[in-house]
Amino acid sequence: AQKVTQAQTEISVVEKEDVTLDCVYETRDTTYYLFWYKQPPSGELVFLIRRNSFDEQNEISGRYSWNFQKSTSSFNFTITASQVVDSAVYFCALSAIDSGGGADGLTFGKGTHLIIQP
Amino acid sequence: DAGITQSPRYKITETGRQVTLMCHQTWSHSYMFWYRQDLGHGLRLIYYSAAADITDKGEVPDGYVVSRSKTENFPLTLESATRSQTSVYFCASRGTSGPETQYFGPGTRLLVL
Repeated sequence: AQKVTQAQTEISVVEKEDVTLDCVYETRDTTYYLFWYKQPPSGELVFLIRRNSFDEQNEISGRYSWNFQKSTSSFNFTITASQVVDSAVYFCALSAIDSGGGADGLTFGKGTHLIIQP
Repeated sequence: DAGITQSPRYKITETGRQVTLMCHQTWSHSYMFWYRQDLGHGLRLIYYSAAADITDKGEVPDGYVVSRSKTENFPLTLESATRSQTSVYFCASRGTSGPETQYFGPGTRLLVL
């Protein structure tokens, strides 16, 4: 069975601070995908990043960066110089890889509610 | 570019009634998924479909029925709604070419009284 743990239920920081959202996962699969989604107050789910288990390179996209460490089963997400617009619930998710190379149904963590105070 | 849409966006119903939530995507994606989102649980997979007429159970399928007669539509039916099915329901879809990502619809907020 797969499991994703986001131990931080809620984080509150002041604007311009850096913040890291933790994600730890469990799976018996040797190959898998990891994802981060953002859910702003409007409620939609916005895809942020997908990483496959073959690729442990960290990724940076503007103020966002992701640190994937297979040895500790972690896929952490850092926002640098946070802004009020970053306030949202962030979900980490995991999926097996099917025979066609596609992502199976997602197993989500319970989410981290990030509050950026002005 | 409509993408993936859900209807209705909000629904109030009573215990015991049948309710159908609609999901429509314009990408011709083969795979479609239904999730429910509840406080304290994140999102959980209800059912998914790999193609028309092919469906399979997810983590929490009890009380739900799905069908997929056309590739673009994936309705979710609550045969006899219960209060525990009060939730936000999200539909998602993805293609079949390699490591495709799931993209989500806007969600349907369902209240069962």
